[in-house]
Amino acid sequence: EIVLTQSPGTLSLSPGERATLSCRASQSVANSYVAWYQQKPGHSPRLLIYAASSRASGIPDRFSGSGSGTDFTLTIIRLEPEDFAVYYCQQYGSSLITFGQGTRLETK
Amino acid sequence: QITLKESGPTLVKPTQTLTLTCTFSGFSLNTSGVSVGWIRQPPGKALEWLAVIYWDDDKRYNPSLKSRITLTKDTSKNQVVLTVTNTDPVDSGTYYCARSAAVSRYFDSWGQGTLVTVSS
Repeated sequence: EIVLTQSPGTLSLSPGERATLSCRASQSVANSYVAWYQQKPGHSPRLLIYAASSRASGIPDRFSGSGSGTDFTLTIIRLEPEDFAVYYCQQYGSSLITFGQGTRLETK
Repeated sequence: QITLKESGPTLVKPTQTLTLTCTFSGFSLNTSGVSVGWIRQPPGKALEWLAVIYWDDDKRYNPSLKSRITLTKDTSKNQVVLTVTNTDPVDSGTYYCARSAAVSRYFDSWGQGTLVTVSS
């Protein structure tokens, strides 16, 4: 099983700032098959990024993903008020799909 | 427009069997590469992938629950059914079904989720 560790657990920033979220895998993720989701309270997750760096349909270009191997990053530039939420990474490079434990992005 | 919706009981007693149905529209589970997965989330906790069923009826299960879960599909009704046997309070949480397209295994469309409590 590939364990995904997200850091930090909580990130406190202000609107307009830049957010950098990390997702580290316990072993290399094949084909960089990492996705990122945003989840707001009471809502289902929303796909942001797939294949480490491809933006999903309708996702603003202030969201970007990068990384390969075991280290992946979600970057949000110029934070908007609606970006404050919990973010999860997911790997689908192995037969057993796993999610990270999440990073909470909160308003400072 | 793609939609998925989960349905089933909100309360189940321990050791009972939980049956949840995902009813979807806007895509077909007969289309090559398409799959529907189930993911659950205990209150205040992270997402956990449970299982996926593919257009060709291939299935994959999370080994941690493999002996207790089963997936079936009814393409004529656009439904996928998840069964969890011998439930325990740790099975409580919100259960989501979600679609993956084109042989990918990331989830591009999600249902609203259904909250299940396992308690006597």
